[in-house]
Amino acid sequence: KNQVEQSPQSLIILEGKNCTLQCNYTVSPFSNLRWYKQDTGRGPVSLTIMTFSENTKSNGRYTATLDADTKQSSLHITASQLSDSASYICVVVTGGGNKLTFGTGTQLKVEL
Amino acid sequence: NAGVTQTPKFQVLKTGQSMTLQCAQDMNHEYMSWYRQDPGMGLRLIHYSVGAGITDQGEVPNGYNVSRSTTEDFPLRLLSAAPSQTSVYFCASSYSDSKTDTQYFGPGTRLTVL
Repeated sequence: KNQVEQSPQSLIILEGKNCTLQCNYTVSPFSNLRWYKQDTGRGPVSLTIMTFSENTKSNGRYTATLDADTKQSSLHITASQLSDSASYICVVVTGGGNKLTFGTGTQLKVEL
Repeated sequence: NAGVTQTPKFQVLKTGQSMTLQCAQDMNHEYMSWYRQDPGMGLRLIHYSVGAGITDQGEVPNGYNVSRSTTEDFPLRLLSAAPSQTSVYFCASSYSDSKTDTQYFGPGTRLTVL
């Protein structure tokens, strides 16, 4: 069964600190992996998309890594800001292209 | 561009009632889809469309109908609402169903069925 598991489930950090969110998947065949940010009461917004051949991709203070051999990805947030408080969702797309398997998300709270 | 818009933002229905959730996009995207988001679960695909006049079922299609008469609009119809359909519904669109196209999500409709 295709699954995407994220950890931790929730995380609280102080403003200015870095953090790393984890994503493990068993989806096959693999096409690409995406990270989304979802603010409370809003729809998800795409942060990064990585294909099999890419092992790192950045979007501002967000850096995603992918290890297709171990089927793991991480999202690193540098110098966190209050506006980073949100749910971060890992999504894996199968080889067919239109089958997306969503993780349940990591709820991040950034405090002063 | 307004992006992906959804109406209404909130809705309360009684069991057995029907209603239509509206979704529109102004980006000339061919691919549109509907998801539901429930607590403790990842988003799940209900129905999708690869272009006007073409629709197909996703992971959880039962109790929902869709149509795609124009490129811009992709309404989701609940035929006879049930409490199990209480959820947050998101519409999304992308330029195509290419594997790496970015999906753009609407703001969501929060539906409660009593």
